[in-house]
Amino acid sequence: GESVGLHLPTLSVQEGDNSIINCAYSNSASDYFIWYKQESGKGPQFIIDIRSNMDKRQGQRVTVLLNKTVKHLSLQIAATQPGDSAVYFCAENRGGSNYKLTFGKGTLLTVNP
Amino acid sequence: DTAVSQTPKYLVTQMGNDKSIKCEQNLGHDTMYWYKQDSKKFLKIMFSYNNKELIINETVPNRFSPKSPDKAHLNLHINSLELGDSAVYFCACQEKGRGSRETQYFGPGTRLLVL
Repeated sequence: GESVGLHLPTLSVQEGDNSIINCAYSNSASDYFIWYKQESGKGPQFIIDIRSNMDKRQGQRVTVLLNKTVKHLSLQIAATQPGDSAVYFCAENRGGSNYKLTFGKGTLLTVNP
Repeated sequence: DTAVSQTPKYLVTQMGNDKSIKCEQNLGHDTMYWYKQDSKKFLKIMFSYNNKELIINETVPNRFSPKSPDKAHLNLHINSLELGDSAVYFCACQEKGRGSRETQYFGPGTRLLVL
């Protein structure tokens, strides 16, 4: 079965609040993780990635945290805006000779104005 | 210009028909993928090609046959369509080849509905 999953299938926040989307993985060999955003009717869009030798990485309004001890990944979105409403996926690369991403189930983030 | 494009965007067809979905990328990337996204939004890889060579083939029925005429194109042909094939199919590409850890870029998707 799949090793990447999400704690919360839906998340509703008020505009301006911070959002935190969580993801658990079970494969210790995974060495690269990505967060994707998928808006309605569109393809997944890259947000931020992190390698397993890091525990935090920041982008514009987004931060990814990686806790390898408990195999947990989170995406923090600061000052959430209505345009952030989408389904968010975490994905992992389990390493090996072929590059293959395994996706989690996705979390629907709804931002209320 | 769109980096990864797919045609058609929508495809409605009858059971038993044969159909093709096309994908083109203008990023010059070496590796291309096909994913299937079901009604619950679950994304699963189907195939991957690196420089026209098949490198990943998940447990996909033989009715699905990918074809890569050149590095910029990866098409998906589906024979004898079944109701369960209804899904959104995404093409993606990645800059480096096998073993790379670079991100994948997705196309807009093809929404297939089998009646």
